[in-house]
Amino acid sequence: GENVEQHPSTLSVQEGDSAVIKCTYSDSASNYFPWYKQELGKRPQLIIDIRSNVGEKKDQRIAVTLNKTAKHFSLHITETQPEDSAVYFCAASRGDYKLSFGAGTTVTVRA
Amino acid sequence: NAGVTQTPKFQVLKTGQSMTLQCAQDMNHEYMSWYRQDPGMGLRLIHYSVGAGITDQGEVPNGYNVSRSTTEDFPLRLLSAAPSQTSVYFCASSRDRANYEQYFGPGTRLTVT
Repeated sequence: GENVEQHPSTLSVQEGDSAVIKCTYSDSASNYFPWYKQELGKRPQLIIDIRSNVGEKKDQRIAVTLNKTAKHFSLHITETQPEDSAVYFCAASRGDYKLSFGAGTTVTVRA
Repeated sequence: NAGVTQTPKFQVLKTGQSMTLQCAQDMNHEYMSWYRQDPGMGLRLIHYSVGAGITDQGEVPNGYNVSRSTTEDFPLRLLSAAPSQTSVYFCASSRDRANYEQYFGPGTRLTVT
């Protein structure tokens, strides 16, 4: 099955700086790559996703890039704010509904 | 719409007990799934369903059963609880094959002693 690795496991950034989280996947047939944000005690919520026919996607301060050849994708958060502090999960899917998740990155934004 | 709902929010079981975690969605979504979340391991797929009457195993199905008699409901049954099943359980749904976004329920925190 699909194996998704996520790095780093923890990330501390100064408010206003950028944060980058990287994921690699093993199944070359995967074609859908969402990112979820989970605040403490809450449910995961989708923040951005990308499909394999697109190399980059942006939504305000958040962007995701995909390198199909290398089988890795990354989440970029610019101008970080305290409310960006959360656990972020990457995931991959072959488009058959099933998602394989990374282990998560705990992001702390220091004021 | 209430979205995806789960009951109970918290549950404590003794080893060997059985119980059912409830999940319901009111968005007429085709696909529903159950995940468990353990520290440092992300979310792992237990079982999933692509429609009423259709279920299949995910990554970690042992010790759990599911059924999907209606589009709205997807209960998860623990047959004989074990301490290794202590976890947070999330139910999720998505509309169909063209709309992959999965909507998660609020979760059930289960402790097995």
